[in-house]
Amino acid sequence: DIQMTQSPSSVSASVGDRVTITCRASQYISTWVAWYQQKPGQAPKLLIFGASNLQSGVPSRFSGSGSETEFTLTISSLQPEDFATYYCQQANSLYTFGQGTKVEVK
Amino acid sequence: QVQLQESGPGLVRPSETLSLTCSVSGASIKTNYWNWIRQPPGKGLEWIGYISRSGGTKYNPSLESRVTISVDASKNQLSLKLTSVTAADTAVYYCAGGVDWKLFSAWFDPWGQGTPVTVSS
Repeated sequence: DIQMTQSPSSVSASVGDRVTITCRASQYISTWVAWYQQKPGQAPKLLIFGASNLQSGVPSRFSGSGSETEFTLTISSLQPEDFATYYCQQANSLYTFGQGTKVEVK
Repeated sequence: QVQLQESGPGLVRPSETLSLTCSVSGASIKTNYWNWIRQPPGKGLEWIGYISRSGGTKYNPSLESRVTISVDASKNQLSLKLTSVTAADTAVYYCAGGVDWKLFSAWFDPWGQGTPVTVSS
């Protein structure tokens, strides 16, 4: 099984801040990574796929980078609607998710 | 616009079988991969399995012995059966479409709103 480890588990930030979340895979997965946003009581929403490709309709303040085993989701200027939990997901070998990172109000 | 809607009993007794349905609108169920994903209360996401365009299935090894995913093309519906449930199967269950990337169903979009299932006597 490929394990996905996210850090930090939570981050406190203010509107306008730059926020970076990291996901580490337990083995090489090339760029088979996606990022999702989940708000309370809602289903996850696909933000980034293939490590760095922005899903249609997602604001350009979201970006993804990385390859092999280290991946990053960056929110360049945090907006009020971005307070949520973010998950990474690998698709190199079946599918597994990271444990989530909660972006909270500072 | 593709929309998914899960339905099924919200309460299942221990040792019994959990049965859920996902109704798909806006697309033929034969044209995509379809997944089930669950989320225990306050926890992260766990992929359960998928059914492919050709009807082939793939399951999470941790659940494989208890899971069956099938399609009713006449109703454009996806179903999930999970046998011998325990309290550990209590979760919100989501159905989700597969997104192709490099000829492989890799990502999940769109998602249904999810349906909560509690396993309790």
